Amino acid sequence: GDSVTQMEGPVTLSEEAFLTINCTYTATGYPSLFWYVQYPGEGLQLLLKATKADDKGSNKGFEATYRKETTSFHLEKGSVQVSDSAVYFCALSSGGSNYKLTFGKGTLLTVNP
Amino acid sequence: GAGVSQTPSNKVTEKGKYVELRCDPISGHTALYWYRQSLGQGPEFLIYFQGTGAADDSGLPNDRFFAVRPEGSVSTLKIQRTERGDSAVYLCASSLTSGRANEQFFGPGTRLTVL
Repeated sequence: GDSVTQMEGPVTLSEEAFLTINCTYTATGYPSLFWYVQYPGEGLQLLLKATKADDKGSNKGFEATYRKETTSFHLEKGSVQVSDSAVYFCALSSGGSNYKLTFGKGTLLTVNP
Repeated sequence: GAGVSQTPSNKVTEKGKYVELRCDPISGHTALYWYRQSLGQGPEFLIYFQGTGAADDSGLPNDRFFAVRPEGSVSTLKIQRTERGDSAVYLCASSLTSGRANEQFFGPGTRLTVL
């Protein structure tokens, strides 16, 4: 079955530091890959996505590249801000009969001023 | 426009009771999903509706769980004879159509606590 493994948290960084959150996956079929973010007190929202190999998703300074050869989709940001503090979830959808999302466990990021 | 809404936001019940959780998807979205998120975990799939029918209910943990979407819009997740292990945040998501690349829009969730 499908599964997503992402870096265990929590991750604590200082403002303007470089961020990487690792994500690897196993999937039946050819998945689309997603990063969702949950800010404190808010619901899950899509941060970025990539639907085929070598695609790069980007949004709000965050980037992730779909690497089929390493089955990875690592999230990066060059300079984090305090407002980036949130829980980040890597997820995939491999289609089939339901197009459900399969999520990793989430990584809590705290950015200190 | 309005996003996905869920009611109630919090529900506390006693073991053995029946509960209903409601989801109002984004207007016009044909696909609707229910997920369950336990503390420290990512959301886990429960059931998927395409229109009015449950296209895939393979994620429901047992026959105490049931969901309906009678008019292809609002959905209700029903849990009979609740157990303490059912305590979790129940999330609803909708998308315009089905598809592996389609964005799912999530509601704020219902936090269920079974005492």
